[in-house]
Amino acid sequence: EAGVTQFPSHSVIEKGQTVTLRCDPISGHDNLYWYRRVMGKEIKFLLHFVKESKQDESGMPNNRFLAERTGGTYSTLKVQPAELEDSGVYFCASSQEDRISVSTDTQYFGPGTRLTVL
Amino acid sequence: TQLLEQSPQFLSIQEGENLTVYCNSSSVFSSLQWYRQEPGEGPVLLVTVVTGGEVKKLKRLTFQFGDARKDSSLHITAAQPGDTGLYLCAGHMDSNYQLIWGAGTKLIIKP
Repeated sequence: EAGVTQFPSHSVIEKGQTVTLRCDPISGHDNLYWYRRVMGKEIKFLLHFVKESKQDESGMPNNRFLAERTGGTYSTLKVQPAELEDSGVYFCASSQEDRISVSTDTQYFGPGTRLTVL
Repeated sequence: TQLLEQSPQFLSIQEGENLTVYCNSSSVFSSLQWYRQEPGEGPVLLVTVVTGGEVKKLKRLTFQFGDARKDSSLHITAAQPGDTGLYLCAGHMDSNYQLIWGAGTKLIIKP
């Protein structure tokens, strides 16, 4: 079974440009998460989809970030316009819907997209 | 302000030695997880601890959740070069699906 995949693996853009990151979750996983790690800092939550609905977007930094999950399958995260502080590694994760306990939710992570804004 | 303080940030020891990595918070977590991340890859879950005082073992790795569910530790016995990597703790608070992360411990085991 294929794991979580992310595209591209690396992206270098200039300040003010637009970039779109894509995440393909594990087939059948209703939960999809985006996280970001800025250099020197801990990984931070961005948002959580359940199927096509945004369950929690409390971690989105500002309105330059737009996440979508059309049809409840793959997801995209668009940054427009990109700023220098957006540089970092963006991770996507997915998990099966677990109605018993959040505590046992097992998230499977993709390899990440390394974004560099110059 | 980090909710989960992980220490040490970096650890380099000789093969065969023991080590402990700590993850501390002033807040209560409903569960704590430990991950290992290799360069160019995403974090991979090693273990989840849910109950205060819980201890789980994975071969030479021992994971413990504090009684008050505010801290956790990872102990490696007789470390081997294959244990080299980035170890991360992360946790769930309340019924929230989002994971809160420690900054990670970069571990190097020298042969």
